[in-house]
Amino acid sequence: GQQLNQSPQSMFIQEGEDVSMNCTSSSIFNTWLWYKQDPGEGPVLLIALYKAGELTSNGRLTAQFGITRKDSFLNISASIPSDVGIYFCAGHPFAGGTSYGKLTFGQGTILTVHP
Amino acid sequence: EAGVAQSPRYKIIEKRQSVAFWCNPISGHATLYWYQQILGQGPKLLIQFQNNGVVDDSQLPKDRFSAERLKGVDSTLKIQPAKLEDSAVYLCASSLEAGTRAQYFGPGTRLLVL
Repeated sequence: GQQLNQSPQSMFIQEGEDVSMNCTSSSIFNTWLWYKQDPGEGPVLLIALYKAGELTSNGRLTAQFGITRKDSFLNISASIPSDVGIYFCAGHPFAGGTSYGKLTFGQGTILTVHP
Repeated sequence: EAGVAQSPRYKIIEKRQSVAFWCNPISGHATLYWYQQILGQGPKLLIQFQNNGVVDDSQLPKDRFSAERLKGVDSTLKIQPAKLEDSAVYLCASSLEAGTRAQYFGPGTRLLVL
């Protein structure tokens, strides 16, 4: 099946620093979604991207749908302690015509923010 | 607007026992999904419903897992009998429609099989 390569696997940063993580695939995706998951909770949708080249912000978070439709990145500016958690990229692979594949998740990026 | 509701939040059972999880999606969301998330991994789709019909159950281990959404609203996922490797978080998600729309997740049910 489709696989997403998410990097880095983990990040240890100081409060106030900016963070960048990305997701790549060998095939084309129709949608890119970024989720955050706190311990003991379900993933929470941060940003949804539906068009190649789309750049969307949500507060201190910015994400882009790559022009090639094979990648996406998420940036977090001026990190704070509550940014700690696991960040997942996810996407719907292109399946031809108006078809779509099932939502596929990356392996996650574990973010630790030191005060 | 209320989010996706799931219960129970935690369950501990012995292998070969049965267990059931319940999910109520966001009001008006026609599409409901059940995912399995093993520790350290991203969620993996088990089954997708559109209203009360199954759209995709290709990754559901049908010898022991079953799911239903009889009235097209809430849904139940059952495991019978459970195995040790079923220990995971079971997440329910819903979306406004099928396709590439964003999915919204519930808090999950944490299952431990001993």
